[in-house]
Amino acid sequence: TQLLEQSPQFLSIQEGENLTVYCNSSSVFSSLQWYRQEPGEGPVLLVTVVTGGEVKKLKRLTFQFGDARKDSSLHITAAQPGDTGLYLCAGKSGGSYIPTFGRGTSLIVHP
Amino acid sequence: NAGVTQTPKFQVLKTGQSMTLQCAQDMNHNSMYWYRQDPGMGLRLIYYSASEGTTDKGEVPNGYNVSRLNKREFSLRLESAAPSQTSVYFCASSKRTANTEAFFGQGTRLTVV
Repeated sequence: TQLLEQSPQFLSIQEGENLTVYCNSSSVFSSLQWYRQEPGEGPVLLVTVVTGGEVKKLKRLTFQFGDARKDSSLHITAAQPGDTGLYLCAGKSGGSYIPTFGRGTSLIVHP
Repeated sequence: NAGVTQTPKFQVLKTGQSMTLQCAQDMNHNSMYWYRQDPGMGLRLIYYSASEGTTDKGEVPNGYNVSRLNKREFSLRLESAAPSQTSVYFCASSKRTANTEAFFGQGTRLTVV
C-alpha cells in the first residue's frame, strides 16, 4: 500500500520555468525526505524535514513540510536540464527508521 | 568510498530459475533493505534487516527470501523466478535512527523471460 501520493507523475518543462511537486498522505510523518534518482543510479538524498511548517532551501530547490506533517512540496525555481530526474518523497512515521516511498515524479527539463 | 555495492548489475533469467542478488555496505550501518522499482510504482520494500541476525517482511515479500550474512552483507534470493519479478532491485542501508539517510546501491536490472 502506497501511503504517499505524489503529483504530478510526469512533468516536462522548458529550461527557466518554475515547478512544484507535491507529496500528500493521510498519515502523520515524524520526518519526510526527498530523494533524486538519475537513470541507472540509485536514489540520492536531497533533504530531510522534521518539523511541521519547516522550510529548507538547497540552491534553487525549496522544500516545505506541512504544518500537520502530512504533506510536503518541492519547488524548483528556474529549472535547468541538470534537474532532470525522478524525484521521490519518503516518509517515516511512529519513530520508524524505515522509509516508505511515494511513486515518484519524473521531471524532464528541455534546453 | 564504495558505499553500497550490488551485484550483478544486469541479469536475464528463464522462468523457474533461481538466483541470488548480492549486496554489501562498508558504512557500518545496522539496517539494510531490499526494494524493487517498477515503472510508476516508486520503490516498494521487499524485506529489511534491522540488525545482523534479524530479517522482516516488507510490503511485497512473496517469492523472495533474504539472508543477513553478517553486518556488511544482505542477499536477496529468488527461488523460482517468475515474469512478474522482472524489475529493478535496489539494496540500501542506513543507521537505525528515525531521520537518517538511506544510501542506495546502483541497482540490479532483472528480466525474467
